[in-house]
Amino acid sequence: GAVVSQHPSRVICKSGTSVKIECRSLDFQATTMFWYRQFPKQSLMLMATSNEGSKATYEQGVEKDKFLINHASLTLSTLTVTSAHPEDSSFYICSARVGSLDYNEQFFGPGTRLTVL
Amino acid sequence: GQNIDQPTEMTATEGAIVQINCTYQTSGFNGLFWYQQHAGEAPTFLSYNVLDGLEEKGRFSSFLSRSKGYSYLLLKELQMKDSASYLCAPMDSNYQLIWGAGTKLIIKP
Repeated sequence: GAVVSQHPSRVICKSGTSVKIECRSLDFQATTMFWYRQFPKQSLMLMATSNEGSKATYEQGVEKDKFLINHASLTLSTLTVTSAHPEDSSFYICSARVGSLDYNEQFFGPGTRLTVL
Repeated sequence: GQNIDQPTEMTATEGAIVQINCTYQTSGFNGLFWYQQHAGEAPTFLSYNVLDGLEEKGRFSSFLSRSKGYSYLLLKELQMKDSASYLCAPMDSNYQLIWGAGTKLIIKP
C-alpha cells in the first residue's frame, strides 16, 4: 500500500516559536493532501486541503496566517504553525490521496504530536 | 448538515464477535471508509464500501446500505489488539471524508 511519512513525529517548542511539519508521500504522487488536527479523545478535524501548485483551502475557523501550508511538489506538503501557543498543542495528521478519483482512499501519515510550553 | 452517529463506546470479550453501527448524513456520497485508530496513533485503513452489500476481509467485514444511510463494521474472533477506536467516515460530494468521534472498543479477556 501507499506510504505517507511525517516529520517530526514529536516536537516540543516554546510559546511564540514556529514549527514546521513535513508530510511526504513516499511511493506515489499525491495531487491532494489533507491536514488534520486531533485533540485528545476527539474526532479528527480537517484543517485544510492542499493541492499541488495552488493555495490551500482552509476550513472555517482555521487561521490561514497561523497555519501556513505549502504543497510545493506532488510528494511534499508542509504545515508551519507560526507563533505557536499552548492551545496549539495537538496531534497533527496529514493524509494524501492518490491522483485518480477512481480510488478514493486517503493514506495517513503517522502523525506529529506538538507540545507548546 | 453532515452528521455521523456511532456508539461512543462498546465492550466485548476476546474471541467473540462485535458489530459497530454507523448512520450518516452527507451532502452527496462517494463511498464510506472504516478506519482503526489506536490511542496516540494515526488512523489505519480497514475497509471501503461504495456499493450496497457486505465486503469481507479476513476477520473484518463491512456492510453498507446507501438508501438507509447505514453501515456497520463486523469484527470476528476478537483479539486484545483489536482494542481501539473505530471511525466511520463517509466521503461527501467533494470527496472529503466526514469524521465522527468514533467508537471506542474495549476487549476484555
